[in-house]
Amino acid sequence: QVQLVESGGGVVQPGRSLRLSCAASGFTFSNYDMDWVRQAPGKGLEWVAVILYDGSNNYYADSVKGRFTISRDNSKNTLYLQMNSLRAEDTAVYYCAKNLASNRGGYFDYWGQGTLVTVSS
Amino acid sequence: QSVLTQPPSVSGAPGQRVSISCTGSSSNIGTGYDVHWYQQFPGTAPKVLIYGNSNRPSGVPDRFSGSKSGTSASLAITGLQAEDEADYYCQSYDRNLSGSNYVFGTGTKVTVL
Repeated sequence: QVQLVESGGGVVQPGRSLRLSCAASGFTFSNYDMDWVRQAPGKGLEWVAVILYDGSNNYYADSVKGRFTISRDNSKNTLYLQMNSLRAEDTAVYYCAKNLASNRGGYFDYWGQGTLVTVSS
Repeated sequence: QSVLTQPPSVSGAPGQRVSISCTGSSSNIGTGYDVHWYQQFPGTAPKVLIYGNSNRPSGVPDRFSGSKSGTSASLAITGLQAEDEADYYCQSYDRNLSGSNYVFGTGTKVTVL
C-alpha cells in the first residue's frame, strides 16, 4: 500500500533553515509528480510546491518562491523540501502528497501524516 | 489568500442533505480545470473524497457526490451521518498572468446537529 512518511520538522528560529524529507513506498515513485502542501494551525490548506516525476521542473507558491526548494531522489524514493529564511508565517504542518497530474489539473490521491514546523524565537 | 471560496460552515441533522459550494473564476474552474474535494478530520491528513468533479474513489460512500458548472462546483452529502462531521476543502488548478499553481478552497466545517 502507498505510504508517505515525512520527517525533519521541529522548532527553528526566524531566518534559519530546515530540510524536510518524505519517504515514499508502495508505488513507483519515479512515475509521479510530488507536492508539498502546508496547513497553518487552525487554518486551511495551502499548496507550497510541486516537482515533476523526473525532477526536470518545479513550481512554487508565491509565498515561498525564492526561499524554498523542492527536490527529489528517485533512487531513494524520497522527496525533500529545503526551507531557507524561515518566517513566523511559515509555521504549519507540512504534508507531502502524491500528485495524479492531468491536462485538466491534478489532484492529491495520497498524503503523508504531516510534520510540524514551528518558526519562533 | 485562497482563490476558491467556500462557506465557513454548514450544518444539518442526521439524514438530511447538505451542500457545500466552491466558487472560483475564469482562471481556474471556469477555464475547465477539474475540481476535487477532500475530507479532513482534526489532527489527521486530508483524504480525497471526490476527484475529477464527480468521481468517488473506491471506499467513499455514495452519499457523497460532486458537480461542477461554470466557475463553481458543489459537494453534496445526502443522508448526513455523525461521522461526516469534518472539514471539507475543494481544490483545482489556476493559471493566470503571474503563473500556474494548485489552489485550495477556504474550507468548510460540516457540523451534524
